[in-house]
Amino acid sequence: AQSVAQPEDQVNVAEGNPLTVKCTYSVSGNPYLFWYVQYPNRGLQFLLKYITGDNLVKGSYGFEAEFNKSQTSFHLKKPSALVSDSALYFCAVRDLGSGYSTLTFGKGTMLLVSP
Amino acid sequence: SAVISQKPSRDICQRGTSLTIQCQVDSQVTMMFWYRQQPGQSLTLIATANQGSEATYESGFVIDKFPISRPNLTFSTLTVSNMSPEDSSIYLCSVAPNMGTNYNEQFFGPGTRLTVL
Repeated sequence: AQSVAQPEDQVNVAEGNPLTVKCTYSVSGNPYLFWYVQYPNRGLQFLLKYITGDNLVKGSYGFEAEFNKSQTSFHLKKPSALVSDSALYFCAVRDLGSGYSTLTFGKGTMLLVSP
Repeated sequence: SAVISQKPSRDICQRGTSLTIQCQVDSQVTMMFWYRQQPGQSLTLIATANQGSEATYESGFVIDKFPISRPNLTFSTLTVSNMSPEDSSIYLCSVAPNMGTNYNEQFFGPGTRLTVL
C-alpha cells in the first residue's frame, strides 16, 4: 500500500524568508510524486510533479521540490516566501510498481506567511 | 490541463434528502474521480468513474449512498443520497488527461461545499 506523510500541520514563515514544507512517502515500486495547493474556498491547483529524471523539480509560482530516494522524501521549497503563498499544501503519490493505482494524499500542511 | 466546473458550488440540505453534483470538463477525458474532503481533513477518494463502465468504489463507499453517472467523456454526476450531517464535506471532481492508466497529474474542480442540517 502507498502512503504519504506530512509531519507538520502548520508552517509559519516571514515574508522574504525561504520556506520548506515536508513530505515523505512509502510505495512498493517507483513513485510519481505531486504537490498541490488549495486556497480558501477553492479547488486544488497542481504545482509540480516528479516522474523521473532530475531530482530537483521546478513548478508554478517559484516553487520547487527535491526528490530524495534514500530518504523517501519530496519536500516543497521556495527561496523567498510571499504573503500570497499562504494556503493549504498537499503532497500526493502514485505507486507505479503495482500497475494502475490511484492518487494518495497527505493530510495537508497549512502555510502561513506573515508580512 | 483541463478546465473543470462543478454545480452547485455550495448547498445547504436537510437530513434525509439527496443532492446531485454535476461535473463538466472542457475536454474529453477517460478517467474521472470523485473525492470527499471533510472539514480539516485530507482528500479521500470516493470512486473512479470511467465512461462506458460501472464506477469503481473505494473501501467504505457504496453505490447506494453515492451513485455516479458517467454518460460521456466530458460529464459526470455524483449523488449524495439520504444525507446526514456526517456527509457535510467538500466534494471534488477530478480528471486525468486522456492517457489511459499512464496518466500523470490530475486536475481538480473548484469543489461543492455541502452542509447537511
